[in-house]
Amino acid sequence: DIQMTQSPSFLSASVGDRVTINCKASQNINKYLDWYQQKLGEAPKLLIYNRNSLHTGIPSRFSGSGSGTDFTLTISSLQPEDVATYFCLQHNSGWTFGGGTKLELK
Amino acid sequence: QVQLQQSGAELVKPGSSVKISCKASGYTFTSYDMHWIKQQPGNGLEWIGWIYPGNGNTKYNQKFNGKATLTADKSSSTAYMQLSSLTSEDSAVYFCARSVVTVAPWFAYWGQGTLVTVSS
Repeated sequence: DIQMTQSPSFLSASVGDRVTINCKASQNINKYLDWYQQKLGEAPKLLIYNRNSLHTGIPSRFSGSGSGTDFTLTISSLQPEDVATYFCLQHNSGWTFGGGTKLELK
Repeated sequence: QVQLQQSGAELVKPGSSVKISCKASGYTFTSYDMHWIKQQPGNGLEWIGWIYPGNGNTKYNQKFNGKATLTADKSSSTAYMQLSSLTSEDSAVYFCARSVVTVAPWFAYWGQGTLVTVSS
């Protein structure tokens, strides 16, 4: 089974900051990595699929990069509404989520 | 618009079973896969399995073999997940989510979640 290690688990940043969240796969997953945002009490929301494709309606301040085993979600300029927990998901072989990154405002 | 409407919260006793539902609307139910995902408080998300309502084919995460059973009713566009032999470890929020496994295996649409609490 593929394991997904996400870092950091917790992140505190200020409005306007550039924020990066990382996900590392236990084996090569090619480009098959998505990013989701989950706000308290809500279902996860798709942000990016297949490493770097922005889902419909998602602001361009969100971007994804990486390939193979190492992937990054970047928020170019943090907004108050971005406070949430972020998860990565690999779908190269089955589906495995990362452990999540809780993002708060400093 | 695509909507996935899940059934309400359940309080169930240890050792019993529960069946939760996910009613789909706004698209052709039989043309998309339906996945189920578990989220325990403070824990991450776990993929349970998927069903293709068009022919009833299923695939499970090995961890949930024998625990979860996925079915679908084409006449009502509703997917179901039955959880059996419930323990406290099954207390969680369960989500349904739609994908196309072969060409678009990401989860663009989710249900609102169903809280299952296992307690005597």
